[in-house]
Amino acid sequence: EPEVTQTPSHQVTQMGQEVILRCVPISNHLYFYWYRQILGQKVEFLVSFYNNEISEKSEIFDDQFSVERPDGSNFTLKIRSTKLEDSAMYFCASSVVQGAYEQYFGPGTRLTVT
Amino acid sequence: AQSVAQPEDQVNVAEGNPLTVKCTYSVSGNPYLFWYVQYPNRGLQFLLKYITGDNLVKGSYGFEAEFNKSQTSFHLKKPSALVSDSALYFCAVRDGGSGTYKYIFGTGTRLKVLA
Repeated sequence: EPEVTQTPSHQVTQMGQEVILRCVPISNHLYFYWYRQILGQKVEFLVSFYNNEISEKSEIFDDQFSVERPDGSNFTLKIRSTKLEDSAMYFCASSVVQGAYEQYFGPGTRLTVT
Repeated sequence: AQSVAQPEDQVNVAEGNPLTVKCTYSVSGNPYLFWYVQYPNRGLQFLLKYITGDNLVKGSYGFEAEFNKSQTSFHLKKPSALVSDSALYFCAVRDGGSGTYKYIFGTGTRLKVLA
């Protein structure tokens, strides 16, 4: 069964550094998403992406964040200058189309900012 | 504003007994409702969804959920729990009438099935 994959599984970085989290969505999916989960808290929506454009973003997704689909298979989330409060589990998801179709989630990347 | 509540942090149930994990929601438009399960070190796995139609929806691994519009609830159920069902369960809602495609998640309920 096709799966969303994410790399790395765990990333440790120092405050102020840039990080790039990588995701490979399911191959025939067209919509891509990033969510995050701070330890012990809810899973929160960050951004959705379609046709090489951001289609929706939350207030969390400020200028420090960016997303890109650099080629036909990868989908990346970049945090330009990490802060301690960016420490969280970041989940990538994809869906065939939007609407009533469910989103499929990857295993997550645990980001630790020290 | 959309919101989801999972009132129980943890549910304990004996193996073979029926289980219920509760979820209530609030949206301004039509609710699209989802249940996901998370096992340790794994991503969120889709279990089932309600979009429209029959209020009782069946999903993976023998799980089902009942949509109740008047109570704005979407409780997850299984007739006979297995130890392997022990995991973290998330309810999510999308407002089908608002033009947004983001999911709003509950805080999760840890299900522990005791042998």
